Amino acid sequence: AQSVTQLGSHVSVSEGALVLLRCNYSSSVPPYLFWYVQYPNQGLQLLLKYTTGATLVKGINGFEAEFKKSETSFHLTKPSAHMSDAAEYFCAVSEIAEYGNKLVFGAGTILRVKS
Amino acid sequence: DTGVSQDPRHKITKRGQNVTFRCDPISEHNRLYWYRQTLGQGPEFLTYFQNEAQLEKSRLLSDRFSAERPKGSFSTLEIQRTEQGDSAMYLCASSRTGLSQETQYFGPGTRLLVL
Repeated sequence: AQSVTQLGSHVSVSEGALVLLRCNYSSSVPPYLFWYVQYPNQGLQLLLKYTTGATLVKGINGFEAEFKKSETSFHLTKPSAHMSDAAEYFCAVSEIAEYGNKLVFGAGTILRVKS
Repeated sequence: DTGVSQDPRHKITKRGQNVTFRCDPISEHNRLYWYRQTLGQGPEFLTYFQNEAQLEKSRLLSDRFSAERPKGSFSTLEIQRTEQGDSAMYLCASSRTGLSQETQYFGPGTRLLVL
């Protein structure tokens, strides 16, 4: 069964500092990996995704993530945090199945950005 | 494309009442997913449609829950005899087959509070 572990339910960084949100997954087949962001009382917005090919994936708002198969990780980074990055971030994994590709999510990491 | 829409955005009900939520996917998206998100957790898969066919249901979907997608367009999720444990955010997502990198686009969610 697939699973996702996000280390750190809360991460706090100063504005302008590096953002690093950790995600480890387990999957019996090559996974598709996603990062979503959720602002309060809103749905999920896709930040980036890894399917095949280049292991360094660039997303919206300056975020990027690197797929490391040997470490079963897909950590999310951003070189310089902005106040508007404060939100909850979810890592998710899916397996391509004949009937749909349901997502399995981690528990989420709340990012706080201090001025 | 207009995004995924959900109605209502908020619902307060008393225990034992029935509630129904609606999801309108992105046009031409033939796959539609329902997820449930409780406080402090990531979304959990409930059920999935491809066109009008409901192809998978999670064990989380008790007999009190029913979902339909009668014409392969919008979908409804009904909860009968609501319980306090049903209080959660109900998220709908849609996607399109034919793409190996299937991406699910989420709606804003319906927040349910059962008193």
